[in-house]
Amino acid sequence: AQSVSQHNHHVILSEAASLELGCNYSYGGTVNLFWYVQYPGQHLQLLLKYFSGDPLVKGIKGFEAEFIKSKFSFNLRKPSVQWSDTAEYFCAVNPGGYNKLIFGAGTRLAVHP
Amino acid sequence: GAGVSQSPSNKVTEKGKDVELRCDPISGHTALYWYRQSLGQGLEFLIYFQGNSAPDKSGLPSDRFSAERTGGSVSTLTIQRTQQEDSAVYLCASSFPQGQGNTIYFGEGSWLTVV
Repeated sequence: AQSVSQHNHHVILSEAASLELGCNYSYGGTVNLFWYVQYPGQHLQLLLKYFSGDPLVKGIKGFEAEFIKSKFSFNLRKPSVQWSDTAEYFCAVNPGGYNKLIFGAGTRLAVHP
Repeated sequence: GAGVSQSPSNKVTEKGKDVELRCDPISGHTALYWYRQSLGQGLEFLIYFQGNSAPDKSGLPSDRFSAERTGGSVSTLTIQRTQQEDSAVYLCASSFPQGQGNTIYFGEGSWLTVV
């Protein structure tokens, strides 16, 4: 069965530190890949997505993610985090031909001033 | 509307009662999804609608759960004889047809507490 693994459940950083959140999926065919963010008390919002083309995808608020097909990975990065990035981050996969998103368990990020 | 709208935003119900959760998708979105987010857990897929039909209902946890969609728009998720383990946030999402690179947009959720 398809699955999505997020390696870090909780991450604590200081402002200006660099961020990388890992995401791996298990599906051998074509995939669409997403990162969603859920700020405290708010609904899920799309950060960025990959469908095809350049494997380095840039999203909102300075986030980017790189699709590495050989590693089945789609890690999220940000060079310098801010306190306002405190949120829960979810990686999701839409395996080709399947009409649903499969989510990872999420990573809670806390950024201290 | 501008986004996916869900009601009620919060619902407290007694064990054994039935509840209905409503979702208004973004206008023009033909695909509609229900997910469940339990405390400390990720998002669990429940059911997917394309128009009024549900080609994938594989995530419904038991026969106490059902959902329908009418007019290709509003959807209702019904939980019969609620149990405490049903307590969770129920998220609705919508999109243009999947498989075409379209983004899925989520509502704010209905927080269900079964006491």
